[in-house]
Amino acid sequence: SQKIEQNSEALNIQEGKTATLTCNYTNYSPAYLQWYRQDPGRGPVFLLLIRENEKEKRKERLKVTFDTTLKQSLFHITASQPADSATYLCALAGNTGFQKLVFGTGTRLLVSP
Amino acid sequence: NAGVMQNPRHLVRRRGQEARLRCSPMKGHSHVYWYRQLPEEGLKFMVYLQKENIIDESGMPKERFSAEFPKEGPSILRIQQVVRGDSAAYFCASSSGLAILDTQYFGPGTRLTVL
Repeated sequence: SQKIEQNSEALNIQEGKTATLTCNYTNYSPAYLQWYRQDPGRGPVFLLLIRENEKEKRKERLKVTFDTTLKQSLFHITASQPADSATYLCALAGNTGFQKLVFGTGTRLLVSP
Repeated sequence: NAGVMQNPRHLVRRRGQEARLRCSPMKGHSHVYWYRQLPEEGLKFMVYLQKENIIDESGMPKERFSAEFPKEGPSILRIQQVVRGDSAAYFCASSSGLAILDTQYFGPGTRLTVL
């Protein structure tokens, strides 16, 4: 069955450092991979989307890579800030004509001042 | 422009009762998705609806769960005869349906607790 793995342990880093979160998947060939941010008690908020034929995508302090050979995506936040503290979810979608998203369990990021 | 709205935000039901969760999509959006998030688990797709049509309900439990998105009014996720295992956060998302890469915008969720 499809499986998406994200680090279940929280990632603690200091303000100003680069945070790197990992998303690995098996038994799936996604056409698109997305990253969402989720704060406690709230719904996920879309951050970035990357296609299977793209290696890297950037948006301000965010960078996503997508390696379909390794079946892995890396999500980077540079110059991290305490306000970046949240849970980050990766989600995969196939090429079915609509986005039926398959989510990972998320990794909690804690940025301390 | 209001975002996706869900109500109630918190719902408490006793075993055997019915739970009705409502979702109003963003203005101009005609596609609605429901997801369930169990404690310590990722969001799981339940159902995808367009106005008056269920497009994909492959993630819905076969019994007790139903969803609708009428021509007028919000989308409704209905859970009959709730059990403790139904306790979870239920999220609704909407999209415009104009492109294959539609962004899904999520609501704040309804947290269902079954006593």
